[in-house]
Amino acid sequence: DGGITQSPKYLFRKEGQNVTLSCEQNLNHDAMYWYRQDPGQGLRLIYYSQIVNDFQKGDIAEGYSVSREKKESFPLTVTSAQKNPTAFYLCASSMGAGTQYFGPGTRLLVL
Amino acid sequence: QQQVKQSPQSLIVQKGGISIINCAYENTAFDYFPWYQQFPGKGPALLIAIRPDVSEKKEGRFTISFNKSAKQFSLHIMDSQPGDSATYFCAASIGGGADGLTFGKGTHLIIQP
Repeated sequence: DGGITQSPKYLFRKEGQNVTLSCEQNLNHDAMYWYRQDPGQGLRLIYYSQIVNDFQKGDIAEGYSVSREKKESFPLTVTSAQKNPTAFYLCASSMGAGTQYFGPGTRLLVL
Repeated sequence: QQQVKQSPQSLIVQKGGISIINCAYENTAFDYFPWYQQFPGKGPALLIAIRPDVSEKKEGRFTISFNKSAKQFSLHIMDSQPGDSATYFCAASIGGGADGLTFGKGTHLIIQP
């Protein structure tokens, strides 16, 4: 089955801890994206990558970091600098311009 | 600065009726306008998308109407069904979305049986 997988489904973060969210796709897409969703706020772009070993900041990149070492993978790290990390995190991919396909999401909660 | 404004925030429609959700944008460089449907706890899924060179696009019961001069676009769901109950997001982008999408805040649609 082709698609996007995100893990874990739920993630708990303690104060001062960095956590990493996984995103993998087997659609052979060049571009990958991370969005954050808060209740009543829609989706906001955190980071995106159009090609391996290159990525750009989105609208709300502060407190987050990413890497793109492989075409299939685009992990997101929520650092301790992100003071309000509780949200639903969505990964997407596309061939570049055109339809973005979303994964099932990871819900991050703070202990 | 909210570049895509979506209304209403919530909407209740009777089964068989027409659901209408509206969006307005500010950036005239936007050239791709998709609509996404999201069920609770799931990722959004593309419903239908339009580019500004056409005024209307229809796919099954879903239609996008686009008014370039007014910088507005809307989603119409004909013969609304209880299974259509979900949150709907409009979005806009430059260059077809390669640099990411700008989303509206969403509309929570409930179709009453």
